[in-house]
Amino acid sequence: DAKTTQPPSMDCAEGRAANLPCNHSTISGNEYVYWYRQIHSQGPQYIIHGLKNNETNEMASLIITEDRKSSTLILPHATLRDTAVYYCIVSMFSGGYNKLIFGAGTRLAVHP
Amino acid sequence: DSGVTQTPKHLITATGQRVTLRCSPRSGDLSVYWYQQSLDQGLQFLIQYYNGEERAKGNILERFSAQQFPDLHSELNLSSLELGDSALYFCASSVEGQGSYGYTFGSGTRLTVV
Repeated sequence: DAKTTQPPSMDCAEGRAANLPCNHSTISGNEYVYWYRQIHSQGPQYIIHGLKNNETNEMASLIITEDRKSSTLILPHATLRDTAVYYCIVSMFSGGYNKLIFGAGTRLAVHP
Repeated sequence: DSGVTQTPKHLITATGQRVTLRCSPRSGDLSVYWYQQSLDQGLQFLIQYYNGEERAKGNILERFSAQQFPDLHSELNLSSLELGDSALYFCASSVEGQGSYGYTFGSGTRLTVV
């Protein structure tokens, strides 16, 4: 699985957009970009994933560069409840041999 | 409720003892994954089972073992427990690989070894 690089921490004001970057320069053609988050000591939560097109769901938007070497997770209107550790992971979409390898992630602090 | 059930939620035991953690995957999911998260540490992948068969191993100690049963629930057995085994243990499940919804995680079992 390709390695990812994320900033260790970020701050965001409540109500503003939070833009979390991720570098994955060694991503292969069949690997997707996945984002998860972990709020305090809860189980990680899936947010969004994408291959090469930008994606949006009710939680966030994912912007992937054309060369696929980096991506940005966007929380359009951050709230205090979005304070969490955000993990960017690259992995294949399917196949019974996948395993999800978490890095250190980005600790996002949303403040009033 | 994520659909992945882990029991017990909390467990306190003494060094040298053996415990079993249980995970029931989300309905329809064939893969089960176990992760360990020590205090202020990241999530460490331990082991994966797919439809009853071991598929991948991570940083799992020899004192730890796991299995997935025909009804697809999984158990993680931890033996000869040490203080350093105190951690949150998460189970996750998926249909096959990441899929359209990624992995679904349970709420974890907090193990305290005293």
